[in-house]
Amino acid sequence: AQKVTQAQTEISVVEKEDVTLDCVYETRDTTYYLFWYKQPPSGELVFLIRRNSFDEQNEISGRYSWNFQKSTSSFNFTITASQVVDSAVYFCALSEINRDDKIIFGKGTRLHILP
Amino acid sequence: NAGVTQTPKFQVLKTGQSMTLQCAQDMNHEYMSWYRQDPGMGLRLIHYSVGAGITDQGEVPNGYNVSRSTTEDFPLRLLSAAPSQTSVYFCASSYAQGPQETQYFGPGTRLLVL
Repeated sequence: AQKVTQAQTEISVVEKEDVTLDCVYETRDTTYYLFWYKQPPSGELVFLIRRNSFDEQNEISGRYSWNFQKSTSSFNFTITASQVVDSAVYFCALSEINRDDKIIFGKGTRLHILP
Repeated sequence: NAGVTQTPKFQVLKTGQSMTLQCAQDMNHEYMSWYRQDPGMGLRLIHYSVGAGITDQGEVPNGYNVSRSTTEDFPLRLLSAAPSQTSVYFCASSYAQGPQETQYFGPGTRLLVL
């Protein structure tokens, strides 16, 4: 069975600090997708990234970066120079390859960026 | 494109009532899904569909029915509402496979069952 664990329930950091959100997953599939989503206080869900299990290269997008390590089944998300607007709940998720209809989510990490 | 739309935005039901949560997308997406979000539980998959005429159960399907008669619409039916179904419901869609494809979520329907 697939499972996603986000051990950090809630994190608070001061603005401009870097912060890493942890994600550990379990799957029997040899190929799969990993995702991160953001849910700001307004409630909508915002897709951030999808990573294919074939590709273990780290990804950087502006202040966001993702560290995928298949050996430890982790897909961690780092925000560099955090801003107040980064305050949100962040979800890590997992799906079989080509099964966007069946995504399994972690319970989320609530991130507070303090001014 | 309107993206993924959900109606209503908010609904109050009494125990035992039935209702349908509407979800529509205008992006010709094959894949559509329904999730519920409860405090501290993340999102849990209720039902999903890989195309018109094809649906399947997710993690928490009990008490819900779906159908997919068209590519655009994927309604979620509550047969006999229970207080345990108080939640925020999200509909999602995506087109095809591949790491560059984006999944889109609707704005959510907040349901309160008394």
